[in-house]
Amino acid sequence: GDSVTQMEGPVTLSEEAFLTINCTYTATGYPSLFWYVQYPGEGLQLLLKATKADDKGSNKGFEATYRKETTSFHLEKGSVQVSDSAVYFCALTGGATNKLIFGTGTLLAVQP
Amino acid sequence: EAQVTQNPRYLITVTGKKLTVTCSQNMNHEYMSWYRQDPGLGLRQIYYSMNVEVTDKGDVPEGYKVSRKEKRNFPLILESPSPNQTSLYFCASSLSGMNTEAFFGQGTRLTVV
Repeated sequence: GDSVTQMEGPVTLSEEAFLTINCTYTATGYPSLFWYVQYPGEGLQLLLKATKADDKGSNKGFEATYRKETTSFHLEKGSVQVSDSAVYFCALTGGATNKLIFGTGTLLAVQP
Repeated sequence: EAQVTQNPRYLITVTGKKLTVTCSQNMNHEYMSWYRQDPGLGLRQIYYSMNVEVTDKGDVPEGYKVSRKEKRNFPLILESPSPNQTSLYFCASSLSGMNTEAFFGQGTRLTVV
């Protein structure tokens, strides 16, 4: 079945460092891909999405490009801030139900 | 303000005592679903509903029930909770299927002792 694999955390960075969180997927057909972010004590929020190959989603300085040839959707940010500390989930929509299938999440901790 | 509201936020209960977690959305969304979040497993779908009176099982439905009598409400019912249902639960809604942006509630931390 469809699945998402993302890098294990936690990822600890200093403020202004470059961030990459890897995400790869397995899917039949042509899924839409998402990154959701979960700040401490809160529910998930959509960070960005891409609906077809070569699309780039971007928001709040974060970017991810839908790479069909490598089945990847890596999240990047050029300069992280302490306020970016959160859990990041890669996800895809799969199957006839259009349900979201999540990766296990990556905890990002940014230190001042 | 567009939102998904879950109640309660925290709940400690005993094995076998029936409980209901409520979920309400004010965005007129058709699609609603319940997830549980467990360490190392990410979020797994319990049940979903594509519209009023239409519900179906997700990946981990055992031990749970849902109903969708009105568009805005989608309660999660645990008829006889067990300790393996201790988890963080999220309700989510979207306009039509999860291909559109999903809005999540703040979560319900359930502990079954």
